[in-house]
Amino acid sequence: NAGVTQTPKFQVLKTGQSMTLQCAQDMNHNSMYWYRQDPGMGLRLIYYSASEGTTDKGEVPNGYNVSRLNKREFSLRLESAAPSQTSVYFCASSDSDRGNTIYFGEGSWLTVV
Amino acid sequence: GDSVTQMEGPVTLSEEAFLTINCTYTATGYPSLFWYVQYPGEGLQLLLKATKADDKGSNKGFEATYRKETTSFHLEKGSVQVSDSAVYFCALNFMNRDDKIIFGKGTRLHILP
Repeated sequence: NAGVTQTPKFQVLKTGQSMTLQCAQDMNHNSMYWYRQDPGMGLRLIYYSASEGTTDKGEVPNGYNVSRLNKREFSLRLESAAPSQTSVYFCASSDSDRGNTIYFGEGSWLTVV
Repeated sequence: GDSVTQMEGPVTLSEEAFLTINCTYTATGYPSLFWYVQYPGEGLQLLLKATKADDKGSNKGFEATYRKETTSFHLEKGSVQVSDSAVYFCALNFMNRDDKIIFGKGTRLHILP
């Protein structure tokens, strides 16, 4: 069972560089999410996509863009990385028909220097 | 707005002790309630859930009961093990409203041998 797969697992960026975090799920879920996790802050929603072709801002969208490429894939892009974006990023997916359980990827550790 | 409040950690217990992690919520309507667990270096995974009042979710010796009158979903375990050391997140969402899930800030649990 692959579930939710996200890449890369670790990345170091210089301030101002750009990068894209990739995420794919094989559970045929409609909804996909990107969260960031910082010490003492819990999980904060960056963007989510309720269905293919739609995206919506979450709690902390500034500095990020997303693309729901198809039902399986949901990417997160940092156009000009800043040290404040150093964090652990989690992709997740869910399907309303299954009691709204949300499934998470293993995380991507991003450091911006 | 909707929110989840859980006790701050860290919580440190000795092996075989009784565990309670408090969680209360604020919501308009009747959400589904969840506990997720995050082991070191991993993503979150569902521990248990309850979808209506008075339901009890249980898994791996953990239990939580959906209490509408006190808007609570406290996590309990009768005898904890070292392997239970992790961060625990309480969460809620609404089926058929939208798929956003609201997390508490997490409670870190340390079990001493």
